[in-house]
Formats: sequence, structure tokens, C-alpha cells
Amino acid sequence: QVQLVQSGAEVKKPGASVKVSCKASGYTFTSYYIHWVRQAPGQGLEWMGIINPSVSTTSYAQKFQGRVTMTRDTSTSTVYMELSSLRSEDTAVYFCARGASDIVVSQTTAEYFQHWGQGTLVTVSS
Amino acid sequence: EIVMTQSPATLSVSPGERATLSCRASQSVSSNLAWYQQKPAQAPRLLIYGASTRATGIPARFSGSGSGTEFTLTISGLQSEDFALYYCQHYNNWPPQYTFGQGTKLEIK
Repeated sequence: QVQLVQSGAEVKKPGASVKVSCKASGYTFTSYYIHWVRQAPGQGLEWMGIINPSVSTTSYAQKFQGRVTMTRDTSTSTVYMELSSLRSEDTAVYFCARGASDIVVSQTTAEYFQHWGQGTLVTVSS
Repeated sequence: EIVMTQSPATLSVSPGERATLSCRASQSVSSNLAWYQQKPAQAPRLLIYGASTRATGIPARFSGSGSGTEFTLTISGLQSEDFALYYCQHYNNWPPQYTFGQGTKLEIK
């Protein structure tokens, strides 16, 4: 079965960076997009960006441009999301999510999120 | 950027009754609309995609309808496990955009 297992909680100081991992299993890693979504305490869901694990191309939400970097390691079927210049407003649970459609078959990024990681709490505090 | 607006913010319904949740898009999104359920300290769970198609394993009491700018999630015969947060989401091809509504909290009346 499809599983996305994320790294553990992090506590960071303002101005630092955090790197969260998302290890995929149960499917062909390079065949599906991975997305990152975050949720601040008591708030809604916010899409951050997408990575194509096959060719490592990315697209980021404008809000995070310049601060977020998504990468992948095909040897371990792991995707990473690094967020820099952290501020208190970045305190949130960060989720990775897998798209529903095979990248080659669908030829589109218009997709919903079929599988989710368990979430990683990132706390930014001095 | 397309804005998704959900109503009401909180909906109080008795078990066994029907709940109707609404989602409105600021411009047409065709049928590129999904619904998710989220319980405390859990990741969201896909319920509906393509505005009206139930995801695998989702009970038939969940149904979605609408297209364009107006969408509805209906939950018939509410069960205790259905009381949760619900989000709608628009998804777009290019540029990639995945906008969530602010959520509707479904609570026990």
C-alpha cells in the first residue's frame, strides 16, 4: 500500500532553516508528483509547492518563492522540503501529499491529493 | 488567483440527519474540485474528486455535486465519525494552483 512517512518534529529559531523529509513506498516513486501543504495551528490548509520526482522539476506557490526548496533522492524514494529564513508565522504542521495521477499518463498537474504523510510539526521560537 | 469560499464556517447537525456543505469559487473551476475530511491531529483524507466522484473506500453517504463556481458536499445519515473539518480544494493544470477553502467544521447538535 502507498505510504508517505515524514521526519519528526523540529524546533527552530527565527532566521534558521528546516528540512523535512517524506519517504515514499508502495508505488513507483518517479511516477507521481509530490506536493507540500502546511497548516498553521487552528488554521486551514495552504499549498506550498510541487515536485516531479522523475526529473526534479518544481513549482512553488508565489508566497514561498525564494524561501522554499524541494528536492528528491531517487535512491531512497525520499522527497525533501527546505524552508529558510524561518519566522514565527512558519510554525505549522507540514504535510507531503502524493498526487493521484501517473505523471506520464495524465500529462497534467491538475490533480487532487490521494495520499498524505502523517505531518511534521515545525515550531519556530526564540 | 482563484479564491475558494466555504459556508457555513460551522454547521451543527444531529446524528442521523443530513449535512449540506457549500463551496464557492471566485471564478469557474469546471469540475476540478475535491473535498477532504480532517480530524484532529490527522492528515486530511480525500473524500470526493472531480466534484462528484467518491474516492476509494468512501461510504455512499458522502456525495458531491456542482460545477463551475458552486459546489456542494452532502453527507446523509450522519454518523459519529463524520463530525470533523471539511475542506474543498480547487486544482489547476498550469500554472499549478491548489487552493483550499477555509474549511467547515461539522459539529454534533
